[in-house]
Amino acid sequence: ETGVTQTPRHLVMGMTNKKSLKCEQHLGHNAMYWYKQSAKKPLELMFVYNFKEQTENNSVPSRFSPECPNSSHLFLHLHTLQPEDSALYLCASSQNFLPGLAGESSYEQYFGPGTRLTVT
Amino acid sequence: AQKVTQAQTEISVVEKEDVTLDCVYETRDTTYYLFWYKQPPSGELVFLIRRNSFDEQNEISGRYSWNFQKSTSSFNFTITASQVVDSAVYFCALSEANSGNTPLVFGKGTRLSVIA
Repeated sequence: ETGVTQTPRHLVMGMTNKKSLKCEQHLGHNAMYWYKQSAKKPLELMFVYNFKEQTENNSVPSRFSPECPNSSHLFLHLHTLQPEDSALYLCASSQNFLPGLAGESSYEQYFGPGTRLTVT
Repeated sequence: AQKVTQAQTEISVVEKEDVTLDCVYETRDTTYYLFWYKQPPSGELVFLIRRNSFDEQNEISGRYSWNFQKSTSSFNFTITASQVVDSAVYFCALSEANSGNTPLVFGKGTRLSVIA
């Protein structure tokens, strides 16, 4: 496989369930990201990992728990979610986290197809 | 603070028409990067272009062209001779280079529908 993959593509879960979203990048990148895309809202950055270290957490509720075991894999663990958490969750990766490192072109973020999450 | 405004929420055009998607940005940095992404119905955001703040040269790639104007803080995207396959949501994004952790800030997107 190439690019950024995400599983599952669709997920329906109850508010008391625990589930995990998985992202894998096959691009040799060092930075990975979780975004949330809700209807009629801008894309919201949730978490950033750079060389497996979390560098950004945009005030995300603790019911979302990220895990980055290596530079190729990123997980988002979900528990006791609310209906308003229903959204498209997008994973992205980039060669570097900041521009200027090894060239500007290494900064582009490449996105996976997303997981459509519905919380009932 | 950085901000991206895409004032056009939805646009519909007939196939073969030209269409311009507007993007206006706000930033206090002198070094920044602007991006356009396309999100087709499949959901995956596809990178289209990156432009840094020191390069105001307009760019053309096939039917796509981008007009970067620092004087008006705009980075508009034009599709010439639109096709049905161009139907998607298009996002403009901004990243400041000198503010430490630098996430991409996206506009709300413009949904383009190209009708056959």
